[in-house]
Amino acid sequence: GQNIDQPTEMTATEGAIVQINCTYQTSGFNGLFWYQQHAGEAPTFLSYNVLDGLEEKGRFSSFLSRSKGYSYLLLKELQMKDSASYLCAVQAGGYQKVTFGTGTKLQVIP
Amino acid sequence: ETGVTQSPTHLIKTRGQQVTLRCSSQSGHNTVSWYQQALGQGPQFIFQYYREEENGRGNFPPRFSGLQFPNYSSELNVNALELDDSALYLCASSNRLAGVLYEQFFGPGTRLTVL
Repeated sequence: GQNIDQPTEMTATEGAIVQINCTYQTSGFNGLFWYQQHAGEAPTFLSYNVLDGLEEKGRFSSFLSRSKGYSYLLLKELQMKDSASYLCAVQAGGYQKVTFGTGTKLQVIP
Repeated sequence: ETGVTQSPTHLIKTRGQQVTLRCSSQSGHNTVSWYQQALGQGPQFIFQYYREEENGRGNFPPRFSGLQFPNYSSELNVNALELDDSALYLCASSNRLAGVLYEQFFGPGTRLTVL
């Protein structure tokens, strides 16, 4: 099976930088997703990492270390609208099933 | 907007009833995955369809079944509804090429309430 861990909740200040960590244990790793989900809405795709390293996309960056089973999502210049749950999801196995963590609820405060 | 659509948006059923949820995948995508998301939890994988066949299944009983059609749209059927089936049901569309599954995009979901 797969085990994915991420913090339950985080609080950060508007304009600051926040890093949301995700650790995983799996076999047959293919890739790792980060999604943003506002309350009552569907998840929105943020990033997809297959190889080690940092990928930057505007204010959001995602890092992956396959050997350590570790990823993080970095959010810069936080805005109030960034308050949401951030889901880490691992794609693995023969049919490349995607398994989600329980999500990190981020609250951005003024 | 991702181009993945789901219907209906909301649905209320009673215990023991049956329900069918529908999903139209994004243009160019050939794979559909279904997820159940309970409040405060991450999405739980139900199953995946590729080329009209079930291509992987999570820990859900047989009363959860599905179909994929030639145009890659899909249905999720749940029989003998239970109270615990109340959740947001999400459909995710992606493309499988040469055995590799690429980024998946979610539809808006169907909120099912079982009374």
